[in-house]
Amino acid sequence: KAGVTQTPRYLIKTRGQQVTLSCSPISGHRSVSWYQQTPGQGLQFLFEYFSETQRNKGNFPGRFSGRQFSNSRSEMNVSTLELGDSALYLCASSPVSRAKGNYGYTFGSGTRLTVV
Amino acid sequence: TQLLEQSPQFLSIQEGENLTVYCNSSSVFSSLQWYRQEPGEGPVLLVTVVTGGEVKKLKRLTFQFGDARKDSSLHITAAQPGDTGLYLCAGAVWETSGSRLTFGEGTQLTVNP
Repeated sequence: KAGVTQTPRYLIKTRGQQVTLSCSPISGHRSVSWYQQTPGQGLQFLFEYFSETQRNKGNFPGRFSGRQFSNSRSEMNVSTLELGDSALYLCASSPVSRAKGNYGYTFGSGTRLTVV
Repeated sequence: TQLLEQSPQFLSIQEGENLTVYCNSSSVFSSLQWYRQEPGEGPVLLVTVVTGGEVKKLKRLTFQFGDARKDSSLHITAAQPGDTGLYLCAGAVWETSGSRLTFGEGTQLTVNP
C-alpha cells in the first residue's frame, strides 16, 4: 500500500513569505502529526491532527499552523518565514490517536524548506 | 518537559563489531520506539517496546525497554556497512488530547568495511 506522501520535496522561500506544505497519510490512517527536524534541535513535535481536529500542539509560535481535511490529508502553514525556519518538515501518520503509544508511526520523506 | 538523552552521538566501527546505543530519560513513557533514518528521508520504524523489561529481537538487532519504562537500549551484533545510518529513539506519550513522540538527539552510526 502507498506510504505517506509529502509535497513538495524541496522548497526555497524568502524571509517574510509564507509557505504551505502538504501531507497525504496512509489510507485508513486518521492521525497525522508534523515534526520539524534541524541539525541543532533534532526532531521536534509541531502538532497532531485527528478527524480534522488539532489534538495536540508542540511549543512553536503561532506562525506555525495546520489543518486536516475530511479525507485525512493535512496541510501545515508557516507565515512570516524566518531564516531559522529552514528545516526538514516531516509528516507521520498513525492508525489511531489514543493508542497509548502502542502504535508506531509511518513517516513521509519530508519537505526540505530553505528560507533565504 | 520530557527529555530523552541518547548516547553516543557518533559511532564509527569496523564491520563485524558489536555496538550498543543507549536512550535514557527521567520520565516514564507509554512506549519506546526506535527508528532509523537515511539522509534525505524520513525515519523508518524499527521496533516498538511497550512493557517494562521487554526485549525484542530483529535479526541482529536487540532492543530492550527498562523495567521502569524510562530507558532503552539498542544492541547490534556483527555490524555490517548496511547498518550505517542515523538511529533515533523516541518516547511515546499518551495524553487525554492525543499523543506525541519525544525524540532523542540521534546516534550517527558508520560501519566501515
